[in-house]
Amino acid sequence: NAGVMQNPRHLVRRRGQEARLRCSPMKGHSHVYWYRQLPEEGLKFMVYLQKENIIDESGMPKERFSAEFPKEGPSILRIQQVVRGDSAAYFCASSREVYNSPLHFGNGTRLTVT
Amino acid sequence: QKEVEQNSGPLSVPEGAIASLNCTYSDRGSQSFFWYRQYSGKSPELIMFIYSNGDKEDGRFTAQLNKASQYVSLLIRDSQPSDSATYLCAVNFIPLPGNQFYFGTGTSLTVIP
Repeated sequence: NAGVMQNPRHLVRRRGQEARLRCSPMKGHSHVYWYRQLPEEGLKFMVYLQKENIIDESGMPKERFSAEFPKEGPSILRIQQVVRGDSAAYFCASSREVYNSPLHFGNGTRLTVT
Repeated sequence: QKEVEQNSGPLSVPEGAIASLNCTYSDRGSQSFFWYRQYSGKSPELIMFIYSNGDKEDGRFTAQLNKASQYVSLLIRDSQPSDSATYLCAVNFIPLPGNQFYFGTGTSLTVIP
């Protein structure tokens, strides 16, 4: 499968637990982007990463949220001490390194905090 | 502040009609423009991209770009009920590090059989 792979598709966590969302970019893509989408709302940019480097994290809350894209393995979006307001769909997208290269999205992870 | 504006709709058109979706952007230096379609509960999928002024056609879809007026539009000819979705406009702004995108909030389209 050459597409952007996200897992898990659905994740249920209780308040206070940690959530880890994984994303493997398309083959040949070195840029990864994370977006959050609340029901009936638009995409909200969170963070943009290259291998071992955060390019822009201006959309990510300063507390409880972190992201990484290690040299080996998938990109990880980590949410510590989840709260009900974190319940949303989290989409990962990837692009090639070339400017103007379009984004391709994964199927998303639906996080539910109970 | 980089902004991408779309009319949230909903936009309703009868089956077989032309649907016209519009997007304006704030930065005159923007270079690349993308249209995504998102069905309810699904992820966005790329429909078209356009870099140069003018029209670009792909099947029933036509993207139109006017950099002087800072707008980009998407026309859907012979609209089908399966085209009912939210359409997202995305823009690359420059200068920025890397390959960064700004999305509009999307226009909801309903095609009525």
